[in-house]
Amino acid sequence: NAGVTQTPKFRILKIGQSMTLQCTQDMNHNYMYWYRQDPGMGLKLIYYSVGAGITDKGEVPNGYNVSRSTTEDFPLRLELAAPSQTSVYFCASSPKNTGELFFGEGSRLTVL
Amino acid sequence: QKEVEQNSGPLSVPEGAIASLNCTYSDRVSQSFFWYRQYSGKSPELIMSIYSNGDKEDGRFTAQLNKASQYVSLLIRDSQPSDSATYLCAAANAGGTSYGKLTFGQGTILTVHP
Repeated sequence: NAGVTQTPKFRILKIGQSMTLQCTQDMNHNYMYWYRQDPGMGLKLIYYSVGAGITDKGEVPNGYNVSRSTTEDFPLRLELAAPSQTSVYFCASSPKNTGELFFGEGSRLTVL
Repeated sequence: QKEVEQNSGPLSVPEGAIASLNCTYSDRVSQSFFWYRQYSGKSPELIMSIYSNGDKEDGRFTAQLNKASQYVSLLIRDSQPSDSATYLCAAANAGGTSYGKLTFGQGTILTVHP
């Protein structure tokens, strides 16, 4: 099993551009999450999903959107990129709503 | 606002010693607690979860929870250089409506020197 796969691993955006971070898991997990991690900081929850077709905002959702059309995929959309969105983004999944998460390798985004 | 606080360190211990990592949390509704290990440039990896007051041991790792004091700790016995990483403490509410959402501390950097 590949686990949780994120693409791209690195990306540089110009201010105002848009892009989608892809996340796919092959473990048939219902729960999926997007977190961002700024240097020297813990992770902040952006959006989460409890199953296909169901998403909700986390702690820092502004400037982002998500969709969950299948169990496997949970893409994160950045609209009108801003320097404040420079961060490392982690997608995670879980088979239960317990907080025991499996993380992808991360996507490092720089907005210039 | 839920908060999870950790001493950012760095914490430096000699090889073979016990490393003690501490975490406090502000929200009394928090019921589930986790320790994730994150190597530099890598993603977090779950190493311990604890849900009840007391100690939980797994190999060289022991997690301790004191809900009355709102305090969680992780002890690493016989520390090895390979344990050098950032350790993230996280908390979640119990039950269905928590949806497994975690509040993370900022992490403690641990360095184990030979």
